[in-house]
Formats: sequence, structure tokens, C-alpha cells
Amino acid sequence: EVQLVESGGGLVQPGGSLRLSCAASGFTLSSYEMNWVRQAPGKGLEWVSYIGGSGSGIYYADSVKGRFTISRDNAKKSLYLQINSLRAEDTAVYYCTREADDAFDIWGQGTMVAVSS
Amino acid sequence: QAVLTQPSSLSASPGASASLTCTLRSGINVGTYRIYWYQQKPGSPPHYLLRYKSDSDKQQGSGVPSRFSGSKDASANAGILLISGVQSEDEADYYCVIWHSSAWVFGGGTKLTVL
Repeated sequence: EVQLVESGGGLVQPGGSLRLSCAASGFTLSSYEMNWVRQAPGKGLEWVSYIGGSGSGIYYADSVKGRFTISRDNAKKSLYLQINSLRAEDTAVYYCTREADDAFDIWGQGTMVAVSS
Repeated sequence: QAVLTQPSSLSASPGASASLTCTLRSGINVGTYRIYWYQQKPGSPPHYLLRYKSDSDKQQGSGVPSRFSGSKDASANAGILLISGVQSEDEADYYCVIWHSSAWVFGGGTKLTVL
């Protein structure tokens, strides 16, 4: 079964850091571009970051540029998002999603990040 | 002004057709973009519906019923998701997406209510 499972979310104080992980199964991770998309409580979807299949080609939303770092380890079948200098407005469910033929065809269930003092 | 603008809500009766619009900001030509549509139901991740650029460049998501289709209104500079024969299970949030200036851009979403 093709599956993405996120982990690493939690409650963190403003200014803190977290590392989100996304475990891929049922397909060859290196063959796909991957993205992180987030959704604040009760709000719409917001794209966060993209990474190419080999790890080259990385893009970020302006709202996270300089604070978030996307990476991947294809051998470990995993995608990561290092999030630093967290702000209240970063509170959201973070989804990892597979990009196939330019569409986000597979989504994980998401991991919740809550930023609060 | 947002890159993509969607009406916040829309209602439709069962069996009717629903047309969800995604208007591109002035200066961004809808004709040059593939527009992607996603459906999200409460408590679930989004689900890919389809992609539409033109009748010769379109794609239906895996297992997505043919009553979901895409089109464009060039005069309105908008992409359109048409749901024919709306069913109660279609009640959800719908998002349009484009790749613009090295970023994926989501519209604000339309909540479809089936009355």
C-alpha cells in the first residue's frame, strides 16, 4: 500500500524548533518530488516547501524562508522538515505529500504543530 | 490581492450542477497555467481530483468520477471545477492550485454545501 506517515509534531514555545519526519512506503521515494503543505486550525491549505527527487531543487514559501529546511533521505525512505524560530502563526497540521505528474497524489494524515507559551 | 481567489461558500441541491470558480489575479493569464483541484472533507487530508489546462492537457485523478470536470473561462481569467449531478458526499472544501513563480499557490478554498 502506498502510504505517507508524518511524525514529530507537538507543542513548542515560540522561538523553539521541531523536526518533522515523513515515512514513505509502497513506492520508491527517490522517483518522486515531495512537498510539505500545512493547514492552520479552521483555515485553508498553505504550501510550505518542495524538494526534487534527488534532493536538488528546493523551494520555500516566503512565510517560512530562512526558518524552515526541507531534506530527504531516500535510502531511509524519509522526508524531513526542520522548523526553527517557531511563531504562533506556524501552528498547523503539517502534511507531507507526494508529487506525481505535478499533482499532489498521495497525502499523509498530517502531524500537528502547536506553538504556544 | 491574492494570486488565486475562490468564493468562500457555495450551495447546491442534490442532482444539480455546481460550478466552482478560481479567479487568477490580474496580470496572471489563466491560459498559461495548469489548474489543479483538490477536495477535502472534515478530518481528512486533501484528495486530488483533477488537473486542467486545456482540452488537450487535462488529467483526472485516480478513481475520480467523471462528473468532476475542469474548464476555464478566459474572459473571467478563471479556472472552473464543474460537478455534475451533485451528491451529498460531495459536501466538502475545494481548493484550486497553480505553480506560480517557483511556488505552489493554493486558493482560499470553497466550502460546498449540498442542501
